Amino acid sequence: GEDVEQSLFLSVREGDSSVINCTYTDSSSTYLYWYKQEPGAGLQLLTYIFSNMDMKQDQRLTVLLNKKDKHLSLRIADTQTGDSAIYFCAESDNFNKFYFGSGTKLNVKP
Amino acid sequence: GAVVSQHPSRVICKSGTSVKIECRSLDFQATTMFWYRQFPKQSLMLMATSNEGSKATYEQGVEKDKFLINHASLTLSTLTVTSAHPEDSSFYICSARDERGGPDTQYFGPGTRLTVL
Repeated sequence: GEDVEQSLFLSVREGDSSVINCTYTDSSSTYLYWYKQEPGAGLQLLTYIFSNMDMKQDQRLTVLLNKKDKHLSLRIADTQTGDSAIYFCAESDNFNKFYFGSGTKLNVKP
Repeated sequence: GAVVSQHPSRVICKSGTSVKIECRSLDFQATTMFWYRQFPKQSLMLMATSNEGSKATYEQGVEKDKFLINHASLTLSTLTVTSAHPEDSSFYICSARDERGGPDTQYFGPGTRLTVL
C-alpha cells in the first residue's frame, strides 16, 4: 500500500495551538483526510482537502497542504482537553480505498 | 446522517473457532465496503475490498482463506475470521461509501474488538 507517515506523539497545553504533521508518497492522491479516534471508538472525520488546494479552514481546524513536498498538516487552534485523541491522516485517490498514517497521539495538558 | 454499524462490538473466542463480524450500512446502499484491521496503538491497515455480488479483493499479504468476506446484499458485508488464533486478536473496522455523495461520504463503523484466547 501507499506510505503515509506521522509523528507518534504530541503534547500541548490547553489553549495552545496543536500542529500535527503528515507526509505521504502517492502523488496520485486526490483527497487527503484527517480523522480523530478516541479510545476504543471508531473514526470521526474531521476535515478533508482536495489535492489542488493549499489550505482549508473549518472553525478551529486549519489544513495546510504542500503538494510538492507531499506534506499535510492539521492545526487545531485553542486546543482543549477534549481534543486529546489519536489523529490519523489518510489519503485516497478515489474516495474508496483509504491509506492511513500511523496516527499521532495528542495529549492536552490542563 | 449516514451510519455504518458493526456487530458484535466485542467478541472473545477460543483458539481454533471461527468468528463472524457484520458490517451494515443503515440508510444507504453500498456496492463496495472495506475492511480494516487495527493493532493496538497502530494504524488502520486495509485488508480487503468487499464487492457486492462478487469476490472480495484482498490487499497484499492478507490471507483470503483466513479472512472470508461475503457481501450478500447492498447493505451487508460479513468478515469471518476462520480458525482464529491469538495473533488474530485485533480491532476490526469496516467502512462503506454512500455513492450518492462526495469525498466526505466514506463512513466508518465503530469497530469490533476480537480477542482470541
